[in-house]
Amino acid sequence: DAKTTQPPSMDCAEGRAANLPCNHSTISGNEYVYWYRQIHSQGPQYIIHGLKNNETNEMASLIITEDRKSSTLILPHATLRDTAVYYCIAYNTDKLIFGTGTRLQVFP
Amino acid sequence: DAGVIQSPRHEVTEMGQEVTLRCKPISGHNSLFWYRQTMMRGLELLIYFNNNVPIDDSGMPEDRFSAKMPNASFSTLKIQPSEPRDSAVYFCASSLVMWGTGTGELFFGEGSRLTVL
Repeated sequence: DAKTTQPPSMDCAEGRAANLPCNHSTISGNEYVYWYRQIHSQGPQYIIHGLKNNETNEMASLIITEDRKSSTLILPHATLRDTAVYYCIAYNTDKLIFGTGTRLQVFP
Repeated sequence: DAGVIQSPRHEVTEMGQEVTLRCKPISGHNSLFWYRQTMMRGLELLIYFNNNVPIDDSGMPEDRFSAKMPNASFSTLKIQPSEPRDSAVYFCASSLVMWGTGTGELFFGEGSRLTVL
């Protein structure tokens, strides 16, 4: 699976959009981009995934560049409860390998 | 719907003792994963099963660790003998994996926090 690179930490004001970047320059054509988050010590939670097209669900939006070398997870209106570690994973096989993720701190 | 159920939630034991962690996956899921999380090493995949068969155990630290899945609704992770460095949070996750379609949506349990003294 392709390696992903994320900033170790980010801050975001409550109510503002949180844009979390992820680089996956070695991603192959059949690898999906998956996003998970882990709130405090809970188990990771699936957020969204995509292959080529941008995706949106009730939790977030995923923007994938045309060359697929990077993507951005967007939380449109961040709340304090969105404070968590966010993981970007390139996946096409049968197991998810988590990196170190981005620690997002949403402040009032 | 019940999610992935793990037990015990917390376990404190002494070095050398046997530890058994249990997991009940979501009904209908065909894959089960055991992860370990520590501050130093993050989330590590230990082993995963597909249709009750171990597919990849390359992440299992050593022979002291073993995992079984006797049926589709139950799995165990056993550590014998336990050591202080095994202290971690152990997560179980399940999914319905359809090969080749990239549906890697895993559902995680709340974890079992193990402390080995």
